[in-house]
Amino acid sequence: DGGITQSPKYLFRKEGQNVTLSCEQNLNHDAMYWYRQDPGQGLRLIYYSQIVNDFQKGDIAEGYSVSREKKESFPLTVTSAQKNPTAFYLCASKLRGTSGANVLTFGAGSRLTVL
Amino acid sequence: GQNIDQPTEMTATEGAIVQINCTYQTSGFNGLFWYQQHAGEAPTFLSYNVLDGLEEKGRFSSFLSRSKGYSYLLLKELQMKDSASYLCAVRDREYGGSQGNLIFGKGTKLSVKP
Repeated sequence: DGGITQSPKYLFRKEGQNVTLSCEQNLNHDAMYWYRQDPGQGLRLIYYSQIVNDFQKGDIAEGYSVSREKKESFPLTVTSAQKNPTAFYLCASKLRGTSGANVLTFGAGSRLTVL
Repeated sequence: GQNIDQPTEMTATEGAIVQINCTYQTSGFNGLFWYQQHAGEAPTFLSYNVLDGLEEKGRFSSFLSRSKGYSYLLLKELQMKDSASYLCAVRDREYGGSQGNLIFGKGTKLSVKP
């Protein structure tokens, strides 16, 4: 079955540590996204990538880094520079179309807790 | 600027009908989406509107008025499993990406009571 796989589902980190969240998709989608979700707030865009070896900052990119070396993979690193990293992180993907619904498909999420 | 408003919480009774409203202000409107999200899970796509009017899909319908910057999601014959958060999202051409990236509202948490 095609879909998006995020891992790990739950992750605990000590302050000052970097951590990398994995996102893999087998939908042959061109574009991939990382969102952060906090209680009482809408999904906020961290980074997105429309093609391999290219990515753009979203609204809250500070303290995060990404890479897009393969079409299927878009890992997110939460660095020690991110002041408040505890959150639910969602990866998503879609075709890079220019018309129609072109729906965003989400992974199951990774919940990061900083101790 | 960009702004999307929807109620924070709603409660309804099993078997009833509920309407969740969403108002928005964006510069380059290019479609409106509704997603359902159960607690701790991924959002799943429910509906898409780009032209004015009503889109019906089984028990779920979504309406759009572009001139009023307004949409609603209508859920009929409510079931307990409909208890979830409902996210309104607007695609904005001026927000990056090939068609425009999505701007999400804060979500409406719907509780369905027996």
